[in-house]
Amino acid sequence: DTEVTQTPKHLVMGMTNKKSLKCEQHMGHRAMYWYKQKAKKPPELMFVYSYEKLSINESVPSRFSPECPNSSLLNLHLHALQPEDSALYLCASSPFSGQNYGYTFGSGTRLTVV
Amino acid sequence: GENVEQHPSTLSVQEGDSAVIKCTYSDSASNYFPWYKQELGKRPQLIIDIRSNVGEKKDQRIAVTLNKTAKHFSLHITETQPEDSAVYFCAASNTGTASKLTFGTGTRLQVTL
Repeated sequence: DTEVTQTPKHLVMGMTNKKSLKCEQHMGHRAMYWYKQKAKKPPELMFVYSYEKLSINESVPSRFSPECPNSSLLNLHLHALQPEDSALYLCASSPFSGQNYGYTFGSGTRLTVV
Repeated sequence: GENVEQHPSTLSVQEGDSAVIKCTYSDSASNYFPWYKQELGKRPQLIIDIRSNVGEKKDQRIAVTLNKTAKHFSLHITETQPEDSAVYFCAASNTGTASKLTFGTGTRLQVTL
């Protein structure tokens, strides 16, 4: 299995809702990432998990809450989002954190906040 | 932190011509430089990468060059085809306690018939 799987592919949520994005990989990668991508812009790093521990939080608002239950799973819990949070949320993984390897990206979750 | 600049923002070439995209980075500690291709509505896909101990790398029609002294690296696509049309992102990272990839602003490449 050489893929990163993200669910759901599309999500529409109200500003008072709580939802979660899920990401799964079975490549044995020990670093996992959340990126946010707005239209016609590059991906922007949100969080980095290294060996299931949060190692980087790019000053992301607390309405985004990451979780790494095990080495294969990464969640992003969403609560009280704003319309400007609408974007493509990409999960990625790489073999080791601290080493130079390319990321494998998932197909993303397209989030719309209404 | 690292800052990656990318030019041009759009590039239109005729099928069969070559395309060159250039990036500069600011952090001299960066030592890994991947390139990603993103088609409309799809995920970024790694197409080639280069490490700081190498000056050039080639994979069929795609090549990347790196000039560490000048802190710039370039993507070269030869014999372009319509399926090369996409947005291309360069990126840079360094080795540390956590790998953090910083992306350039992207180049929209259009290959016309």
